[in-house]
Amino acid sequence: EDKVVQSPLSLVVHEGDTVTLNCSYEVTNFRSLLWYKQEKKAPTFLFMLTSSGIEKKSGRLSSILDKKELFSILNITATQTGDSAVYLCAVAPGGGSQGNLIFGKGTKLSVKP
Amino acid sequence: DGGITQSPKYLFRKEGQNVTLSCEQNLNHDAMYWYRQDPGQGLRLIYYSQIVNDFQKGDIAEGYSVSREKKESFPLTVTSAQKNPTAFYLCASSIQGILSPLHFGNGTRLTVT
Repeated sequence: EDKVVQSPLSLVVHEGDTVTLNCSYEVTNFRSLLWYKQEKKAPTFLFMLTSSGIEKKSGRLSSILDKKELFSILNITATQTGDSAVYLCAVAPGGGSQGNLIFGKGTKLSVKP
Repeated sequence: DGGITQSPKYLFRKEGQNVTLSCEQNLNHDAMYWYRQDPGQGLRLIYYSQIVNDFQKGDIAEGYSVSREKKESFPLTVTSAQKNPTAFYLCASSIQGILSPLHFGNGTRLTVT
């Protein structure tokens, strides 16, 4: 059965800390891995990763994929209270299904001032 | 501004009543999706549609129905057959199915008593 596992499920840090969120997966015919940030309602897209070892970066956020070990990490440096959110990892399997992204349960990050 | 609009934000219904959640997008996306989010759970796919007048069941379609008569609109009906309908419902769209990132609406929180 295809699955995506995120860890930790929740995390509390202080402003300025660096955090690493983990996402491991087991899927048939991997196509891509995506990270989303969900603050209150709508998840917003952060990164899409398809190739191993190529870091994607946006400001203080970065992410990398390891297709051999089947995981991805999301790094946030110099955290701010505005980074508090649930971070969702999702994997798009290959094959016939065009509809089903497989989501992890998310990591709830709380950044304290 | 282009985006996805879900309405209403909050919906309260008595058990046994059908209820329809609205989802409209002006992004000119072909693919649209409905997800259900429960506390501590990942997003689970209810239905998706790649083109007008066509839609496919997701993992948890039982007790739900959809229509796709227009490209912009993908309403979801929660029927009385859905055993546990209280949840947060998210609508999403994308340009190229799961080959491209999903754009999400702000969600509808449905409470059935």
